[in-house]
Amino acid sequence: AQSVTQPDIHITVSEGASLELRCNYSYGATPYLFWYVQSPGQGLQLLLKYFSGDTLVQGIKGFEAEFKRSQSSFNLRKPSVHWSDAAEYFCAVGPTEYGNKLVFGAGTILRVKS
Amino acid sequence: EPEVTQTPSHQVTQMGQEVILRCVPISNHLYFYWYRQILGQKVEFLVSFYNNEISEKSEIFDDQFSVERPDGSNFTLKIRSTKLEDSAMYFCASSELENTEAFFGQGTRLTVV
Repeated sequence: AQSVTQPDIHITVSEGASLELRCNYSYGATPYLFWYVQSPGQGLQLLLKYFSGDTLVQGIKGFEAEFKRSQSSFNLRKPSVHWSDAAEYFCAVGPTEYGNKLVFGAGTILRVKS
Repeated sequence: EPEVTQTPSHQVTQMGQEVILRCVPISNHLYFYWYRQILGQKVEFLVSFYNNEISEKSEIFDDQFSVERPDGSNFTLKIRSTKLEDSAMYFCASSELENTEAFFGQGTRLTVV
């Protein structure tokens, strides 16, 4: 079965600094990969997705992610973080032939210091 | 922009009571889902629903849970006899086709006391 690992529970960056959130997945074939963001008390908003094709995908709010098959990774990046980016970020994999569900990582809480 | 809407945003219920969480998926979507997130934990899949029947469910989705699409627009999750451990944020999601991205609602925070 597929699984997702987000190694960093918390990350703190200074406003204006670059950001990279790590995500590793376990799945035999090329999965569908997603990054969602959850602001406090809010729902899950899709930042970006990878289905196939160009391994560097652009999302909303200036985020991008790169799919690296050799490393089973799908890391999220942003060149310059804004205070409003403080939130929890979830990487997810699916759907696959195992079913239509999404499997989420544990999430990374991003704190932005001014 | 079309969105998934969930009601209520917050529900408090006594242990043993039945609750129904409501969702209105995006209108042209065919696949519907419920997920939950216990405070401080990861988002977990509960159930998926397509063509008026459950297509997949997790171990969490036991006999206390049921889903229904009572009309052309609503999608509900019923918990028959709530337990303290059912306290969580419940997210509804929908997707247009089988292998397309899911759009999530804002969630219903269920508190069982």
